[in-house]
Amino acid sequence: QKEVEQDPGPLSVPEGAIVSLNCTYSNSAFQYFMWYRQYSRKGPELLMYTYSSGNKEDGRFTAQVDKSSKYISLFIRDSQPSDSATYLCAMSGNTNAGKSTFGDGTTLTVKP
Amino acid sequence: GAVVSQHPSWVICKSGTSVKIECRSLDFQATTMFWYRQFPKQSLMLMATSNEGSKATYEQGVEKDKFLINHASLTLSTLTVTSAHPEDSSFYICSADGYAGGKIGGFGPGTRLTVL
Repeated sequence: QKEVEQDPGPLSVPEGAIVSLNCTYSNSAFQYFMWYRQYSRKGPELLMYTYSSGNKEDGRFTAQVDKSSKYISLFIRDSQPSDSATYLCAMSGNTNAGKSTFGDGTTLTVKP
Repeated sequence: GAVVSQHPSWVICKSGTSVKIECRSLDFQATTMFWYRQFPKQSLMLMATSNEGSKATYEQGVEKDKFLINHASLTLSTLTVTSAHPEDSSFYICSADGYAGGKIGGFGPGTRLTVL
């Protein structure tokens, strides 16, 4: 069993929809929870990270961490075609980068 | 803070040649650097961990003689792919952990390697 599980999708939504992306994990030592966005043939870019449990909001993006359930989510409000990309969750025990364990990524398409 | 750069961003080489990729921490001292590999449509997989001034620790299945890692200073780590073959074509990404008034870390933008 993988340490981090992420539904690969693909996920297709109409423009303006709310998107929910999720990951589950098994390692209790994870303290930092990150979401990366990756466009085709580009490197992953950090969208946001959360330390321990709780919610974090940044514009149209909201990250949620529930350590008791070992479940994290990323919500995208008012989704745009430019949000079409692969979204990777990642987790680390030490910092928001370093030795991170990644999910397989969810491919999202937002249709105009 | 936690800016990490990589050079080159894209490299094409012939089979059998060696390629060096640099990873630099620009605004902090990186005590530990990590190298990842990402094949098309797959996630990032950790290849090795390197601490400044010591030998790298490789993940299971990664050939240490093929992927040479040097972490000679607190701001620079290099990955050399020796005798590259087409199956080594991949996206190579580094990350770095260090201290700058507290724990800090960041990922580089990646290097796309294509071996012909």
